[in-house]
Amino acid sequence: DQQVKQNSPSLSVQEGRISILNCDYTNSMFDYFLWYKKYPAEGPTFLISISSIKDKNEDGRFTVFLNKSAKHLSLHIVPSQPGDSAVYFCAATGSGNDMRFGAGTRLTVKP
Amino acid sequence: GAVVSQHPSRVICKSGTSVKIECRSLDFQATTMFWYRQFPKQSLMLMATSNEGSKATYEQGVEKDKFLINHASLTLSTLTVTSAHPEDSSFYICSARGAGGVWEQYFGPGTRLTVT
Repeated sequence: DQQVKQNSPSLSVQEGRISILNCDYTNSMFDYFLWYKKYPAEGPTFLISISSIKDKNEDGRFTVFLNKSAKHLSLHIVPSQPGDSAVYFCAATGSGNDMRFGAGTRLTVKP
Repeated sequence: GAVVSQHPSRVICKSGTSVKIECRSLDFQATTMFWYRQFPKQSLMLMATSNEGSKATYEQGVEKDKFLINHASLTLSTLTVTSAHPEDSSFYICSARGAGGVWEQYFGPGTRLTVT
């Protein structure tokens, strides 16, 4: 069962613009959410996270928003840079147990 | 950040043989390690969770006799694919989590297994 969904397999944006990656989840027991960035043939790299007690967390160009009532979170990248081009995975965990990943969204930032 | 290594990064083996993949946390003690498998253009699928000194917990549908996991120390976990078949060809990724109470998992670089 897909408890974490990323419905957009790909996204293309122009350099300098905002990239918005979306993620939905179904399990209300999830209380911690993470975004990972992954290049081909490499392991995922942790990007940013948010606890369910917050609705926003910001780190430089990256901001994650959480809407618990909608079971939705999003990652905003502003401004987008060509080096941001990668696959982004949304992940969720409940009580620190195993993590569930979305299918990933391939972001392409065009110069 | 914390560093997790995997060895080998790439391995080709013949059908019917066994392959061992090592996952090491280099600068922290990993009380829990996870093994994932990624098919092309698909998400990371959790295979099993292992805690140091105890038996691994396998996800539904993952054959524990085929994918042997050993977490012998706080810095090393191994995944052995036994009697490998071509359909076992995949990208295997491990991750490690410390006991510090944070939920971030640190991922290894992955191992590309090709079974011929």
